[in-house]
Amino acid sequence: NAGVMQNPRHLVRRRGQEARLRCSPMKGHSHVYWYRQLPEEGLKFMVYLQKENIIDESGMPKERFSAEFPKEGPSILRIQQVVRGDSAAYFCASSRSQGVGTEAFFGQGTRLTVV
Amino acid sequence: QKEVEQNSGPLSVPEGAIASLNCTYSDRGSQSFFWYRQYSGKSPELIMSIYSNGDKEDGRFTAQLNKASQYVSLLIRDSQPSDSATYLCAVMSTGNQFYFGTGTSLTVIP
Repeated sequence: NAGVMQNPRHLVRRRGQEARLRCSPMKGHSHVYWYRQLPEEGLKFMVYLQKENIIDESGMPKERFSAEFPKEGPSILRIQQVVRGDSAAYFCASSRSQGVGTEAFFGQGTRLTVV
Repeated sequence: QKEVEQNSGPLSVPEGAIASLNCTYSDRGSQSFFWYRQYSGKSPELIMSIYSNGDKEDGRFTAQLNKASQYVSLLIRDSQPSDSATYLCAVMSTGNQFYFGTGTSLTVIP
């Protein structure tokens, strides 16, 4: 049973380009969470999605960032017109359900570097 | 964003000692609480979950929850150098999001 799969593991983009980060949840999991982590800092919640629905995007910057979780395929975090401040590790976690007893498991992360 | 507060440390303990990590949270309606371990350059790994007041033990780890005080702790007995990592406290909010503290850096000195 594969864990949460993220790709690419490392991504380098020039300022102004687009970055697409992919997350395939664990088998049987329909809830996906995206987090951003800057060096020496904690995990900052960005967005919570279920299949075909954005449940909570309160942690997403208002501009340039978007996320989706289509009926088929992985969840995508998209960053348009990247800037140096977007350089960070982006982690995806997935869970089977919601409510008490739900546990979330993380992928290996995508390290984005903007040059 | 719902607040989860941790002492950032760093916390240093000698090998074989008990390491005590603490966390407070602001969302009084939260029902699920977790501890993750994160090694440098790696992703967070779930090590404990707790849902009811009191203690939950798993090997050398004990999680403690006090909902009235909005307080969660993690005790690591017989600390080993391999326990050296950052420990993240996480809370599932009433909206089913997982919020994380900034983590406590633990170093176990051989």
